[in-house]
Amino acid sequence: SAVISQKPSRDICQRGTSLTIQCQVDSQVTMMFWYRQQPGQSLTLIATANQGSEATYESGFVIDKFPISRPNLTFSTLTVSNMSPEDSSIYLCSVAGGRRGTGELFFGEGSRLTVL
Amino acid sequence: AQSVTQLDSHVSVSEGTPVLLRCNYSSSYSPSLFWYVQHPNKGLQLLLKYTSAATLVKGINGFEAEFKKSETSFHLTKPSAHMSDAAEYFCAANAGGTSYGKLTFGQGTILTVHP
Repeated sequence: SAVISQKPSRDICQRGTSLTIQCQVDSQVTMMFWYRQQPGQSLTLIATANQGSEATYESGFVIDKFPISRPNLTFSTLTVSNMSPEDSSIYLCSVAGGRRGTGELFFGEGSRLTVL
Repeated sequence: AQSVTQLDSHVSVSEGTPVLLRCNYSSSYSPSLFWYVQHPNKGLQLLLKYTSAATLVKGINGFEAEFKKSETSFHLTKPSAHMSDAAEYFCAANAGGTSYGKLTFGQGTILTVHP
């Protein structure tokens, strides 16, 4: 399994500001996935980040709010822009493991954001 | 469309007694199914996975799950709970193909283990 490191692990942010979350993987991966876990809720996929192309966003998520970069095969960033208290969540970076088609994901420990 | 339903939001057991966490899925495809555990302030750890091989799947820490297609279920069990099992558990499904990497998660079940 891949080792996935996220920074920051937690932060407290002011309304209207933006925060960039970094995700570093210890091996080269084609696709990286960003999930959101709102308080007391399950996980929801925000977007899929492929190296060298625009990220693919899920319904309800837009690039202006959650811009993603994927400069190489081991690194990605997710920015949460113009934050509001509703953005208080855990943001998790993940990569796929196993043979294509089995589809399990390995997750970082998450970045816990609180927006005041 | 694919969906995953965890039938209990909270389960409470005594240490040493069996654990049963229930999960049902709905999918147009034969999905791959997973159980993850999330300890407080930690990320998700994969417990086990079903990928159309054996229907009884063994995972880490003594957990296992049985895929029952007729019941569209993938319940997680453990014969004897340990205090360290207290955590939140998520059932997830992946339809594969163009959905590669996209997991649909259930709402989670919080497991409490009493001494």
